[in-house]
Amino acid sequence: NAGVMQNPRHLVRRRGQEARLRCSPMKGHSHVYWYRQLPEEGLKFMVYLQKENIIDESGMPKERFSAEFPKEGPSILRIQQVVRGDSAAYFCASSPSTGPVYGYTFGSGTRLTVV
Amino acid sequence: GESVGLHLPTLSVQEGDNSIINCAYSNSASDYFIWYKQESGKGPQFIIDIRSNMDKRQGQRVTVLLNKTVKHLSLQIAATQPGDSAVYFCAVATGANNLFFGTGTRLTVIP
Repeated sequence: NAGVMQNPRHLVRRRGQEARLRCSPMKGHSHVYWYRQLPEEGLKFMVYLQKENIIDESGMPKERFSAEFPKEGPSILRIQQVVRGDSAAYFCASSPSTGPVYGYTFGSGTRLTVV
Repeated sequence: GESVGLHLPTLSVQEGDNSIINCAYSNSASDYFIWYKQESGKGPQFIIDIRSNMDKRQGQRVTVLLNKTVKHLSLQIAATQPGDSAVYFCAVATGANNLFFGTGTRLTVIP
């Protein structure tokens, strides 16, 4: 009965490289949410996906960031040409249906450091 | 949009005392509220939730109070223990829309 699995736990990238963050939702959950957390701040919503569909990407920067949740496999948050300001903890949450009332379960996050 | 704030960034309490963490929100249409606990290096962990048709809900050692008139909610932790030391976030949702998180309050329990 694994929870939400995120990997890697820690990721170091040089400026200009690409970062790929993976999230496997809980079994039976088909809704995935990505959040970003800067040090000493709350979590900021980035994107909401269902299988093969982006439902809401209003919190995701228009450039360099993309997300997918394919029919098979984990959800991927991709950051191209990373900059120092991308350094943060990225959390994924999953739920069995639409909306927080159905319960979000968070993963342990990926801590991205851009050097 | 939604603005969610917390009154205090840090809170220190003696072990065994009660803790109260406060949160203010801005959207009067918000109808679902959650408190999360985040320990160092971990993701947010659900503590307790409350819907807008209630003003109080109790769990094990925790109580959430909601005042819709002034758009304020609080988390009360009874008999605070060292294991309660963490950052606590309130999160607010409107309908099926996404959660907005507050900045967080760091609770430190002094043995």
